[in-house]
Amino acid sequence: EAQVTQNPRYLITVTGKKLTVTCSQNMNHEYMSWYRQDPGLGLRQIYYSMNVEVTDKGDVPEGYKVSRKEKRNFPLILESPSPNQTSLYFCASSLSGYNQPQHFGDGTRLSIL
Amino acid sequence: GQQVMQIPQYQHVQEGEDFTTYCNSSTTLSNIQWYKQRPGGHPVFLIQLVKSGEVKKQKRLTFQFGEAKKNSSLHITATQTTDVGTYFCAGRPLNRDDKIIFGKGTRLHILP
Repeated sequence: EAQVTQNPRYLITVTGKKLTVTCSQNMNHEYMSWYRQDPGLGLRQIYYSMNVEVTDKGDVPEGYKVSRKEKRNFPLILESPSPNQTSLYFCASSLSGYNQPQHFGDGTRLSIL
Repeated sequence: GQQVMQIPQYQHVQEGEDFTTYCNSSTTLSNIQWYKQRPGGHPVFLIQLVKSGEVKKQKRLTFQFGEAKKNSSLHITATQTTDVGTYFCAGRPLNRDDKIIFGKGTRLHILP
């Protein structure tokens, strides 16, 4: 089944403890992206990748890192999480950029205490 | 900066009534996509509009792209409880292959 898989789905952690949210897609998509969703603010793009080894900042990249070493994986790294990064995170992929539909993962709800 | 305004933010309708959400962009768009997110779920792609003045239908849903490619609308006829959720538009600015701008969404509540 074609899908975007995020892990973990839920995580409660403390300020400053490094964490990684994994994202994997099995559709051979070139484009992948991370969004955060907060009440009243909609979906805001954190980072995106047009292809392997190519990553770019979105609208809210501060405090996040990503890597794209393989086509299928696009992990989101929070080196030193802070409470303002408490949010619902979505990974998405598409065949090739924004001319194609984006397929979203089920989401990861992060709580930083 | 470039932005896409989506109105209304919330809408309550009686089941069977019609519903419309509107997106207005500050810049001309190459295309616009619409997504639906059910409560507790993730955004799911509904449709993409590319041409000026384009109108597409999916059963009770009608999507329009404005002549100037700066606005779009989603109209649902005779809403049903399965239509509950948040509807997002997402536009790609002209000549910006690397950019997509999401509206903040319209949350639709259906009163039985």
